[in-house]
Amino acid sequence: KQEVTQIPAALSVPEGENLVLNCSFTDSAIYNLQWFRQDPGKGLTSLLLIQSSQREQTSGRLNASLDKSSGRSTLYIAASQPGDSATYLCAVEAAGNKLTFGGGTRVLVKP
Amino acid sequence: DGGITQSPKYLFRKEGQNVTLSCEQNLNHDAMYWYRQDPGQGLRLIYYSQIVNDFQKGDIAEGYSVSREKKESFPLTVTSAQKNPTAFYLCASSLQGLSNQPQHFGDGTRLSIL
Repeated sequence: KQEVTQIPAALSVPEGENLVLNCSFTDSAIYNLQWFRQDPGKGLTSLLLIQSSQREQTSGRLNASLDKSSGRSTLYIAASQPGDSATYLCAVEAAGNKLTFGGGTRVLVKP
Repeated sequence: DGGITQSPKYLFRKEGQNVTLSCEQNLNHDAMYWYRQDPGQGLRLIYYSQIVNDFQKGDIAEGYSVSREKKESFPLTVTSAQKNPTAFYLCASSLQGLSNQPQHFGDGTRLSIL
């Protein structure tokens, strides 16, 4: 059974510092890995989707890498801003279009 | 604007009562999903549907039921058999259940017990 883990559970950084969020998964038979952002009391917003054949994806200040063989993904957020404060979730997609989610990393960027 | 609408935003259930959460999408997506999120945890799949009039159980389907009579709508009923229903419920949709298509989420319904 696929298990997805995100460490740390919470992270606090001063504004301007780069953020590094980690995600690990136990079964490498995945179609893709997705990173989402969740603001308090809200739904999820898709940030990046990395297909299993890809090594990384970039969007603006966000960069996500995928190492399928080792079961790891890292989300980098450059030059963090207070508006980046949120919970970030990673999820892996396997057969049947089913996503398995990690528990999330709660990020606070202090001005 | 296209999107997913969940209602109500907050819902209270009495003991022994069934309640229904609404999810409507105008994205013309074939696939729809229901997730449950407990405090400080990730999402767990309750039910999903890849086409009208068809749906499959997810990882935690016990105590829940769904229907998919229309492409746009995928209501979730939390039955009295669900003994711990207090949670945040999220609905999502994606294009035709294809892989490598991101799921789009609604803003959720928070269910509490009276």
